[in-house]
Amino acid sequence: GAVVSQHPSWVICKSGTSVKIECRSLDFQATTMFWYRQFPKQSLMLMATSNEGSKATYEQGVEKDKFLINHASLTLSTLTVTSAHPEDSSFYICSAPRQGALNEQFFGPGTRLTVL
Amino acid sequence: GENVEQHPSTLSVQEGDSAVIKCTYSDSASNYFPWYKQELGKGPQLIIDIRSNVGEKKDQRIAVTLNKTAKHFSLHITETQPEDSAVYFCAAERALTFGSGTRLQVQP
Repeated sequence: GAVVSQHPSWVICKSGTSVKIECRSLDFQATTMFWYRQFPKQSLMLMATSNEGSKATYEQGVEKDKFLINHASLTLSTLTVTSAHPEDSSFYICSAPRQGALNEQFFGPGTRLTVL
Repeated sequence: GENVEQHPSTLSVQEGDSAVIKCTYSDSASNYFPWYKQELGKGPQLIIDIRSNVGEKKDQRIAVTLNKTAKHFSLHITETQPEDSAVYFCAAERALTFGSGTRLQVQP
């Protein structure tokens, strides 16, 4: 099946710093990728839709200036958490639909962010 | 928008028993319903999905049923094994709206 990777798998940073998380589709092209956030023992919440070559669309309540998304190629989307604070600590997961897969999403393994 | 409710939140069964997890959705226009298994510290993995043109789909020990009229769908796992222990999420449409999750514990 299709593979989506994320890097890094985990990161610890100091409050106030920025962290970049990469999401790659390894064996298919993805014009759209999705970013989710998952707090402990909770469900996945969609944060934003990343669109190749255009601006990302953000869900209500998600600060676009804090969570910068860049979808520079058909296989790579990046999420940058700017000026991270402890409340941003979470599990960040991306997904990508493969063209022709009729709605099926392929999820990355997730990135655990801990902000001290 | 779509609203997906999932029950139960936790489920404990004995090895070999069956497990059933149920979800309801609100948007009658939704046509795709995937189920995901998430192990601790990992991303969700698709285990089975169903589209609105069928009422049931089966893959070995896993089956999903869909009732479009009532707007609910269920995951059925038979002959459960300890390795089935995980959190299971239902979703509607392109997995953009997830259920709240069910923590399944299979007791050996």
